[in-house]
Amino acid sequence: QVQLQESGPGLVKPSETLSLTCTVSGGSIRNNYYWGWIRQSPGKGLEWIGFMYYTGSAYYKSSLKSRVTISVDTSKNQFSLRLNSVTAADTSVYYCARRSGGDYYYFDSWGRGALVTVSS
Amino acid sequence: QSVLTQPPSVSAAPGQKVTISCSGSNSNIGNFDVSWYQQLPGTAPKLLIYDNDKRPSGIPDRFSGSKSGTSATLGITGLQTGDEADYYCGTWDSSLGAAVFGGGTNLTVL
Repeated sequence: QVQLQESGPGLVKPSETLSLTCTVSGGSIRNNYYWGWIRQSPGKGLEWIGFMYYTGSAYYKSSLKSRVTISVDTSKNQFSLRLNSVTAADTSVYYCARRSGGDYYYFDSWGRGALVTVSS
Repeated sequence: QSVLTQPPSVSAAPGQKVTISCSGSNSNIGNFDVSWYQQLPGTAPKLLIYDNDKRPSGIPDRFSGSKSGTSATLGITGLQTGDEADYYCGTWDSSLGAAVFGGGTNLTVL
């Protein structure tokens, strides 16, 4: 059973870069899956940020595309999220999640989530 | 404003049945499979239904899903207090080129 675990700073200053890492255990990141990030503002719904295949194909939400980078490190079985120029509106719980390859758009494994607060 | 529309809340008594609707369009539900997620208070979402009506292993058959046209429905029978949670539908939207979710439905088991 694959497990995902987010890690990274819980507090980021406005205009700086949010960086989170998701460690995958119980399975290889090279398998036929996409690895992605979804966030949830306090008391709000789920917002897809993007996902990436281990070979490098990446897909991002259009409104975040200019600020987001998702990368995969196959040697460490990890993938990462970088979100530039953050504001208070980026304060959320960030979940890493696995999406099946092919034309399957569901997320079958999720991390526990990491709360990131943007504040000076 | 979510691309997929869900009722904000539903409620029913223990043992009863409830349905949660998810309405979209041809660019999303009309052409792509729907998944459903359960988010218990203070926890991460959990996949409940995928490919419109399939249950991952370990999900009881009290949970069911269906899709017709541009709408999907989650059904829960034999309601238990432990089913109190937020439920989200999700799919892909080809016009947006994005994974999309409904706004979520809060289930209360009275």
